[in-house]
Amino acid sequence: DGGITQSPKYLFRKEGQNVTLSCEQNLNHDAMYWYRQDPGQGLRLIYYSQIVNDFQKGDIAEGYSVSREKKESFPLTVTSAQKNPTAFYLCASRPQGRADTQYFGPGTRLTVL
Amino acid sequence: DAKTTQPTSMDCAEGRAANLPCNHSTISGNEYVYWYRQIHSQGPQYIIHGLKNNETNEMASLIITEDRKSSTLILPHATLRDTAVYYCIVRPDNNDMRFGAGTRLTVKP
Repeated sequence: DGGITQSPKYLFRKEGQNVTLSCEQNLNHDAMYWYRQDPGQGLRLIYYSQIVNDFQKGDIAEGYSVSREKKESFPLTVTSAQKNPTAFYLCASRPQGRADTQYFGPGTRLTVL
Repeated sequence: DAKTTQPTSMDCAEGRAANLPCNHSTISGNEYVYWYRQIHSQGPQYIIHGLKNNETNEMASLIITEDRKSSTLILPHATLRDTAVYYCIVRPDNNDMRFGAGTRLTVKP
């Protein structure tokens, strides 16, 4: 099946540890995105990448890092510098040059204890 | 991106039309209006988008006012599975999405 996968669905980490969230897509999309969502809030853009080996900061990039070594993969690392890492993290992708939809993954709920 | 204003919450009776408004009074000429919805703890789902003309697909209709300062998403026959948070977003073509808090629609039996 084609789509975006994020794993695991739920992730627990101790405070002070870095953690990497995976995002893989087999849709051959050029652009990929990471969002964070807190309870009752909308999505906030963390990082995005329009092409392999290139990425830009979104609105809340502090405490996060990304890489885009392959077109199909866009992992997000939540570092110990992120003050409030507990949240729902969503990955999305979009074909370049099209005005329409972003396709979202199922999300990863990260809880830092 | 142009800012959008949506009601925090709305209710709708099952089987009736759900009309979700969105104000975007500062929209620019090259900005599209997009609608997504998010069912609890899932990724947002694309519904529909438009620039100037009204649009319809298998999920919904999008009515954009002539001055483009507001729009309405219409779910013609709401079901319980349409209960979700609905996001109205305006952006230039190929730019990045910025999601607000959206409207929480509750469809009641």
